[in-house]
Amino acid sequence: DTGVSQDPRHKITKRGQNVTFRCDPISEHNRLYWYRQTLGQGPEFLTYFQNEAQLEKSRLLSDRFSAERPKGSFSTLEIQRTEQGDSAMYLCASSGQENTEAFFGQGTRLTVV
Amino acid sequence: RKEVEQDPGPFNVPEGATVAFNCTYSNSASQSFFWYRQDCRKEPKLLMSVYSSGNEDGRFTAQLNRASQYISLLIRDSKLSDSATYLCVVNTGRRALTFGSGTRLQVQP
Repeated sequence: DTGVSQDPRHKITKRGQNVTFRCDPISEHNRLYWYRQTLGQGPEFLTYFQNEAQLEKSRLLSDRFSAERPKGSFSTLEIQRTEQGDSAMYLCASSGQENTEAFFGQGTRLTVV
Repeated sequence: RKEVEQDPGPFNVPEGATVAFNCTYSNSASQSFFWYRQDCRKEPKLLMSVYSSGNEDGRFTAQLNRASQYISLLIRDSKLSDSATYLCVVNTGRRALTFGSGTRLQVQP
């Protein structure tokens, strides 16, 4: 399968714990996006990389959130000191050229208890 | 004001009906436009890109009106399998894709 892959698919964690998610984009894509989605809402933009450079971060991305794409390939999203409000689906997407469509992974569903 | 706005619906239509969704966007610098489909608890999947001249893919037709800053999606001869949430997506080029909240369609037998 050469699509976008995310790991893990599901994560249950206790409030206050740190979690890290991984995304492997389509191999030839240099753009990678992280979104968060809650029930009944569209995906909300979190952050965006072009190659290894993080070009944009949403105001939604508090200082508890950090994302990296160290070699311009896979990316990680870390949430420190998780809160119940962090419970959501975290979606990763990748695209090739500017102005082209993005392809999504299956997401990581986070539940903070 | 949200950057991309959609009527959340739900739109409940019988099989075989024609249904249309509109979406408005606020950034006049937006350069590319898409419709995505999302099934319950699944990831969004590209349905079609929207071109300035309008485009058609089988039963689906997308239109773009830059002057009024809206895009539309028309679904003809609705099928039960068309039941999903349809997400309007706008790209300003340098920025990431911006999604609307989605319009839910329920096609009934």
